Amino acid sequence: GQNIDQPTEMTATEGAIVQINCTYQTSGFNGLFWYQQHAGEAPTFLSYNVLDGLEEKGRFSSFLSRSKGYSYLLLKELQMKDSAYYLCAAHQTGANNLFFGTGTRLTVIP
Amino acid sequence: NAGVTQTPKFRVLKTGQSMTLLCAQDMNHEYMYWYRQDPGMGLRLIHYSVGEGTTAKGEVPDGYNVSRLKKQNFLLGLESAAPSQTSVYFCASRGTAGKNTEAFFGQGTRLTVV
Repeated sequence: GQNIDQPTEMTATEGAIVQINCTYQTSGFNGLFWYQQHAGEAPTFLSYNVLDGLEEKGRFSSFLSRSKGYSYLLLKELQMKDSAYYLCAAHQTGANNLFFGTGTRLTVIP
Repeated sequence: NAGVTQTPKFRVLKTGQSMTLLCAQDMNHEYMYWYRQDPGMGLRLIHYSVGEGTTAKGEVPDGYNVSRLKKQNFLLGLESAAPSQTSVYFCASRGTAGKNTEAFFGQGTRLTVV
């Protein structure tokens, strides 16, 4: 079975740092994706982790611990345009499916 | 460079009507997926395909059928629409180059069943 949990909503201040957590229980787990989705738009790829550790990409970083079934997305130097939904998705081997969490709505305030 | 294209973008159906949503990708991807997205539910997998001529059920397949007659196209059909199928539908595709490539999404189809 698949179970992916994320906080429903978060609020942070422009210029600050925010961490969005994701826990998962996925059979045949083979990696964790993070997507960003602005209201009314399609999800767009942010990052991917398959090994334990931190992946950094500019202002965004993502971390994975396979033994703990845990990932987080770290956003630095927050900008107003970062207000969006952030979706955590577990990759399942075999069928090569992506199973998504319900998403975290991040609101950046001045 | 179109990527993943969904048609139509919006549709209103009456209960019991049928329709087909078309997804086309020009990236030569093997894997294609249909998701629905509802408030508070995230993206839920309806059906998927791992190659031309193959389809399989996802998490919420009831009330939907799919076909993948050509590699670039993945069709989602609703034979008899119900109000519970009011949702935003997203198609996605993934390639096999590299170990785990990202999924590219279409712009979505907003379907309302009245």
